[in-house]
Amino acid sequence: NAGVMQNPRHLVRRRGQEARLRCSPMKGHSHVYWYRQLPEEGLKFMVYLQKENIIDESGMPKERFSAEFPKEGPSILRIQQVVRGDSAAYFCASSPTGIGEQYFGPGTRLTVT
Amino acid sequence: DAKTTQPNSMESNEEEPVHLPCNHSTISGTDYIHWYRQLPSQGPEYVIHGLTSNVNNRMASLAIAEDRKSSTLILHRATLRDAAVYYCILTQGGSEKLVFGKGTKLTVNP
Repeated sequence: NAGVMQNPRHLVRRRGQEARLRCSPMKGHSHVYWYRQLPEEGLKFMVYLQKENIIDESGMPKERFSAEFPKEGPSILRIQQVVRGDSAAYFCASSPTGIGEQYFGPGTRLTVT
Repeated sequence: DAKTTQPNSMESNEEEPVHLPCNHSTISGTDYIHWYRQLPSQGPEYVIHGLTSNVNNRMASLAIAEDRKSSTLILHRATLRDAAVYYCILTQGGSEKLVFGKGTKLTVNP
């Protein structure tokens, strides 16, 4: 059973461009979570989604950030008009039930130049 | 979200047991205690979780105090691969997001 997959692993964007981060959960998992880890800081929850629904987006910045988890395909975290402060590691996690353990992917490291 | 308190860092020697403490004096009756760890340059990894009773799995043991105001993660024989930041996290019943604190950075000496 393949683990949580994230791509790309590294992404470089210039200020003002868009960044699209993809997350494929483990097989059979319908709950997806996104977390962000800024340099030298802890992990912060961003958003929790189930198939086609956003359950909790209390950690998402109000502007430029959006997330989706369509019926088919991976979950996408989209950052529009990136700024240097968006440079961070973005981790996706999945869970079969939404309660209990979450399984994390290797992360996408976004660098904004 | 209920808060946890952990030491910033701990050291251990290889093949010795490690006891990582966590205080959660404001824990409520429905809060689960989770432990995750993050190795350098990797995503967090689930270690163990429990509610009231002590728990064992292939990675570690979780000892929960009778009043549930503290818990201890026990690694029975530390290896160099166990060097990581260990996070103790409480989740409220029905709330699935994980709130990470600063964790305990474990150094394992050969």
